[in-house]
Amino acid sequence: KAGVTQTPRYLIKTRGQQVTLSCSPISGHRSVSWYQQTPGQGLQFLFEYFSETQRNKGNFPGRFSGRQFSNSRSEMNVSTLELGDSALYLCASSSQGVTWRGEKLFFGSGTQLSVL
Amino acid sequence: DAKTTQPTSMDCAEGRAANLPCNHSTISGNEYVYWYRQIHSQGPQYIIHGLKNNETNEMASLIITEDRKSSTLILPHATLRDTAVYYCIVSGKAAGNKLTFGGGTRVLVKP
Repeated sequence: KAGVTQTPRYLIKTRGQQVTLSCSPISGHRSVSWYQQTPGQGLQFLFEYFSETQRNKGNFPGRFSGRQFSNSRSEMNVSTLELGDSALYLCASSSQGVTWRGEKLFFGSGTQLSVL
Repeated sequence: DAKTTQPTSMDCAEGRAANLPCNHSTISGNEYVYWYRQIHSQGPQYIIHGLKNNETNEMASLIITEDRKSSTLILPHATLRDTAVYYCIVSGKAAGNKLTFGGGTRVLVKP
């Protein structure tokens, strides 16, 4: 089975621009979560989608948004980029989205976003 | 979710067992303990998880104390490729499908 695939691997943008990141979950997985990782804040949860619906959201401004398609693929968008948005953005998938019942999360390799 | 406490860093000799402690004294009865690791610039990798009993898989063993307030991840024969940041996470229903990562333990395996 192919793992979680994120594209692109690297991205360079300038302040004020917007960016869209893509994530293809493991085949059959219905839950997709997004995390941001920075040296200062570590790994932080952005949001989770399950069956095209946002089910959980972290403490991030509205500039961060996402969506999930009927084939479970997901995209996240960041508008009006700021220097502080430079980070590794990670996508994770799981079958039913119930880690609290002992389900594993599988992570992609991430998209490294640099904002200049 | 219960908060976890891990040492910031530790060194381990190649070929020896690495024992990584984690304290989760406020864990609830239905919360799982998960271990993930992250090798530089890659996504976190699942290692093992458990609820009450000790668990073992091809990567590691997880020892959970009887009162569930702490656990130890054991890498039986550490290799250089085990150098990574190891995260101990407690996951409960209140947080939904969200994992809350702390600072983790930076493990350096030395030849």
